[in-house]
Amino acid sequence: QKEVEQDPGPLSVPEGAIVSLNCTYSNSAFQYFMWYRQYSRKGPELLMYTYSSGNKEDGRFTAQVDKSSKYISLFIRDSQPSDSATYLCAMSDPSGGSNYKLTFGKGTLLTVNP
Amino acid sequence: SAVISQKPSRDICQRGTSLTIQCQVDSQVTMMFWYRQQPGQSLTLIATANQGSEATYESGFVIDKFPISRPNLTFSTLTVSNMSPEDSSIYLCSGTGPSYEQYFGPGTRLTVT
Repeated sequence: QKEVEQDPGPLSVPEGAIVSLNCTYSNSAFQYFMWYRQYSRKGPELLMYTYSSGNKEDGRFTAQVDKSSKYISLFIRDSQPSDSATYLCAMSDPSGGSNYKLTFGKGTLLTVNP
Repeated sequence: SAVISQKPSRDICQRGTSLTIQCQVDSQVTMMFWYRQQPGQSLTLIATANQGSEATYESGFVIDKFPISRPNLTFSTLTVSNMSPEDSSIYLCSGTGPSYEQYFGPGTRLTVT
């Protein structure tokens, strides 16, 4: 079992739809959770960062963490064609020796159609 | 957030040669890392760049192949040595912010012929 599982998609939605992206993980030591957006031929851009269970909202984006189920989600409201990108979940273990290095999911390719 | 730049942005190299990639951050970061992203794949950590000491490598990556330097808090280099076509990838550096969130550079796209 991989440490982080993410459905690679592709996911295609109409403009204005609510998008749900999900990751599951197996390592209970993961305490920091991030979502990145990566456009083609660009570096990953940090969208959301959280370290507690519950919801965190930033504009049209909501990150949700359920540590008891080892499950994280990213919701995008009112999706726009400019949201078309690959979305990567990532997580890190802050305990000694791990140095906050990130373990990534495979990424989900999202296309928002006008 | 930290702003991270990399040079070169892309290169085409011949088999057997070496390429050094530079990473510069605009503010002091605690940790710096180097990742590889192979075509159509996610990111894989190569090593943690430690200031003034040897880098910490992940399983499957060795110092002879990927020597890394970090002479100060805002600068690091990764060398890809004795390249083969299998080294064709995007190489990304990252730095941690005050809450240990990570920011990435734009990447260096390497093609080995």
